[in-house]
Amino acid sequence: AQTVTQSQPEMSVQEAETVTLSCTYDTSESDYYLFWYKQPPSRQMILVIRQEAYKQQNATENRFSVNFQKAAKSFSLKISDSQLGDAAMYFCAYRGFTSNTGKLIFGQGTTLQVKP
Amino acid sequence: KAGVTQTPRYLIKTRGQQVTLSCSPISGHRSVSWYQQTPGQGLQFLFEYFSETQRNKGNFPGRFSGRQFSNSRSEMNVSTLELGDSALYLCASSDSASSYEQYFGPGTRLTVT
Repeated sequence: AQTVTQSQPEMSVQEAETVTLSCTYDTSESDYYLFWYKQPPSRQMILVIRQEAYKQQNATENRFSVNFQKAAKSFSLKISDSQLGDAAMYFCAYRGFTSNTGKLIFGQGTTLQVKP
Repeated sequence: KAGVTQTPRYLIKTRGQQVTLSCSPISGHRSVSWYQQTPGQGLQFLFEYFSETQRNKGNFPGRFSGRQFSNSRSEMNVSTLELGDSALYLCASSDSASSYEQYFGPGTRLTVT
């Protein structure tokens, strides 16, 4: 069975600084998708960034980028120029390519605090 | 496009009762997945519906069930509520047959007393 692990329950960053959130996963599948979701205190889960495992290039969305290390099964999220609005819980999620359609497997989440 | 909507947003029920939660996906989305979020267990997958058929199911007891209508709206039902069913229930919709990217609703906060 696939598992996702986020080893940092809480992180903090100074406004305008850079922070990296860690995520590791375990799978025997060769093709899959990885995601980072953000859940602000209002509870609406928002997709931040996605990565297809077959793509070697790391995904980037504005201030958000990932470091995808397939062999190490690592998928970290880097937030540059942190803003107060980035404060939220961040979830790393895995989805198999062909199996378990519609099922995301989530990590336990990392609460990010942004200090002004 | 309007986002995923869930009703009701908050619900208080008593042990032993049953409850029905509703989810309206983004227009054009045919896949709806349901998740339970609790502080102890985190986010856990309940089931997924695509074109009115349950396509995938998580490890929850049979008290948890769902369905999807022809307009892609989905409902989930929990019968014989237990205290441990208190949670935030999230639904997510996707516009592809492979449910590639999922977009979440605001959730329904269920409290069982």
